[in-house]
Amino acid sequence: DGGITQSPKYLFRKEGQNVTLSCEQNLNHDAMYWYRQDPGQGLRLIYYSQIVNDFQKGDIAEGYSVSREKKESFPLTVTSAQKNPTAFYLCASSSREVNTEAFFGQGTRLTVV
Amino acid sequence: GENVEQHPSTLSVQEGDSAVIKCTYSDSASNYFPWYKQELGKRPQLIIDIRSNVGEKKDQRIAVTLNKTAKHFSLHITETQPEDSAVYFCAAQKSVWNKLVFGAGTILRVKS
Repeated sequence: DGGITQSPKYLFRKEGQNVTLSCEQNLNHDAMYWYRQDPGQGLRLIYYSQIVNDFQKGDIAEGYSVSREKKESFPLTVTSAQKNPTAFYLCASSSREVNTEAFFGQGTRLTVV
Repeated sequence: GENVEQHPSTLSVQEGDSAVIKCTYSDSASNYFPWYKQELGKRPQLIIDIRSNVGEKKDQRIAVTLNKTAKHFSLHITETQPEDSAVYFCAAQKSVWNKLVFGAGTILRVKS
C-alpha cells in the first residue's frame, strides 16, 4: 500500500454533521497533504503540513480543518460549513529532505446523504 | 502562488501512436516537476519526474521535457498501449517547504 493508509474507503454523512477522515503513514515522511478530487477538476489542495504541529491552508480550505499532533497522522475533518462535501479525498505524504515522490493513500469517497 | 495549467483535458490516440500532454507553470522558482498516472478507481502513482537542472528525462516509452525559459514541461508516451489509458496529472513544486500543486489532469484513451 506504499505505507500510507486512509480510512474508511467509503463514508456517508448526513447534512449538518461533521466527519473525520483518517490518514496514517509509516514512511517517516515530514510532509503530508490533503487533496480533493472532483471530476474534471484534478487534485485541489485542501491543507498541507510540513512538520508536526504546523499546517497551512491550501486553495480550498474553507469548511475543512486538520490537525498534525503526530508525524504519522494527519486527519481531515469535513465540517458542516463545507457546502458541497461529496467528493473523493486523497491524502499524500513525501520526504522533506529533497523534492521527491509523493505517495498517495487509496482515497476516501465521501457522500452526503 | 503557483498555478499549473494542463492541456489537453482529454486525449484519444490509436494504439501504437504517440501521446503528448503539456503543462505550464507560473512560478519561475519551481524546480521539481513530477507526473502521476491514476488508473480508474486507484490512487495516483508517480511515473516520471524531472528537476530544473535537467532538460529531458526518459524511462522506456515515457519521456519528459522541460523548458525553463518558457515555463512549460511535457509528457511524451510513445508506442501507446491500452494499459496506458488513465488520467495523467502534472505537478510543480518550488522547494521541499512548499506545496505540491497539480494540474487539472488529462484523460488519455488508447483505442485498440
